[in-house]
Amino acid sequence: KQEVTQIPAALSVPEGENLVLNCSFTDSAIYNLQWFRQDPGKGLTSLLLIQSSQREQTSGRLNASLDKSSGRSTLYIAASQPGDSATYLCAAQNSGGSNYKLTFGKGTLLTVNP
Amino acid sequence: EAQVTQNPRYLITVTGKKLTVTCSQNMNHEYMSWYRQDPGLGLRQIYYSMNVEVTDKGDVPEGYKVSRKEKRNFPLILESPSPNQTSLYFCASSHTGGPVLTGELFFGEGSRLTVL
Repeated sequence: KQEVTQIPAALSVPEGENLVLNCSFTDSAIYNLQWFRQDPGKGLTSLLLIQSSQREQTSGRLNASLDKSSGRSTLYIAASQPGDSATYLCAAQNSGGSNYKLTFGKGTLLTVNP
Repeated sequence: EAQVTQNPRYLITVTGKKLTVTCSQNMNHEYMSWYRQDPGLGLRQIYYSMNVEVTDKGDVPEGYKVSRKEKRNFPLILESPSPNQTSLYFCASSHTGGPVLTGELFFGEGSRLTVL
């Protein structure tokens, strides 16, 4: 059974700092990995989707990488801003057999202090 | 505007009273899915659908039913709700290429359900 872990559970940084969020998964048989942002009381917003054939994706100040063989993905946020404060979640789509489920990590709560 | 719409957004009900949470998307997405989010447990998949008339269980399907009669709609049915189904529920949708999600997963705003 796929398990997705995000470390740390919470992170507090000063504004302007570059930071890395980590996501690890136990089963490397995945189609893709997706990073999301969730603001309090809101739904999730997709940030980046990396297919298994890709190594990384970039959008603005965000860069996500994927290493299937080691079961890891990272989300790099450059020059963090207070508006980046939110919970960040990753999710892996399984490719084993007929199971196409998505498994989410529990998220990293990021606080960027002005 | 591209969106996933859930209703109701908030609901308080009593044990055993059947309820349906509706979900509709306007993006012609093949894939739709339901999740529940609970403190300390994170987001867990209840059911998903790869296309019309094709549904499959996620990690926590017990006590729930779904149907996918139309591409745009994917209602979640609680036949006999119990207090342990008190949770925040999310519907989501995406394009697929075969079994693979090919686009971002769009989420609804959530439905907060309380079962007394």
